[in-house]
Amino acid sequence: GQQVMQIPQYQHVQEGEDFTTYCNSSTTLSNIQWYKQRPGGHPVFLIQLVKSGEVKKQKRLTFQFGEAKKNSSLHITATQTTDVGTYFCAGRNTDKLIFGTGTRLQVFP
Amino acid sequence: SAVISQKPSRDICQRGTSLTIQCQVDSQVTMMFWYRQQPGQSLTLIATANQGSEATYESGFVIDKFPISRPNLTFSTLTVSNMSPEDSSIYLCSVPGGPSEQFFGPGTRLTVL
Repeated sequence: GQQVMQIPQYQHVQEGEDFTTYCNSSTTLSNIQWYKQRPGGHPVFLIQLVKSGEVKKQKRLTFQFGEAKKNSSLHITATQTTDVGTYFCAGRNTDKLIFGTGTRLQVFP
Repeated sequence: SAVISQKPSRDICQRGTSLTIQCQVDSQVTMMFWYRQQPGQSLTLIATANQGSEATYESGFVIDKFPISRPNLTFSTLTVSNMSPEDSSIYLCSVPGGPSEQFFGPGTRLTVL
């Protein structure tokens, strides 16, 4: 079945440093979504990418969808303590959303 | 956006018993999804619950263990049957929110002793 892997599994950064998580799918995706889950919370939708090579920005967050539509990345510039949480990519397979393994981000002040 | 509530928010259960988790949505939706999130892990889709038809289960999940009801377009239940400690997880229901995003309920944190 379809597998979606993310690296790194964990990332600890000093506040102000940048952070990147990478997402790789075993199959071509029609689109990729990104979610953030705060500690003790539930996943919250961040963004969806649809087009090959697409790049979208949300303030300090930059999302990319690979040319082959099998990989994606999320980059956070100048992390803040409010960025703490686990970031999941998710690929859509017909009506189902298949979540990546997640990257847990810890930001030290 | 959809507002989703789940009951109970958490429970501690004895092995061998069953727990039914309720999911209520503030709008009518065709599809509802049930996910499991084991401690420190990602979300795994258990099944898709469609109103008026039997739920569709993912590989590794069976109806006898996780029976699902979907009596109307705003409500669903997931039962975790004959529980063992390995069933300790967060169970989340989810609904589509238009063409892209998916909304999640707050989750039910289950501990099986």
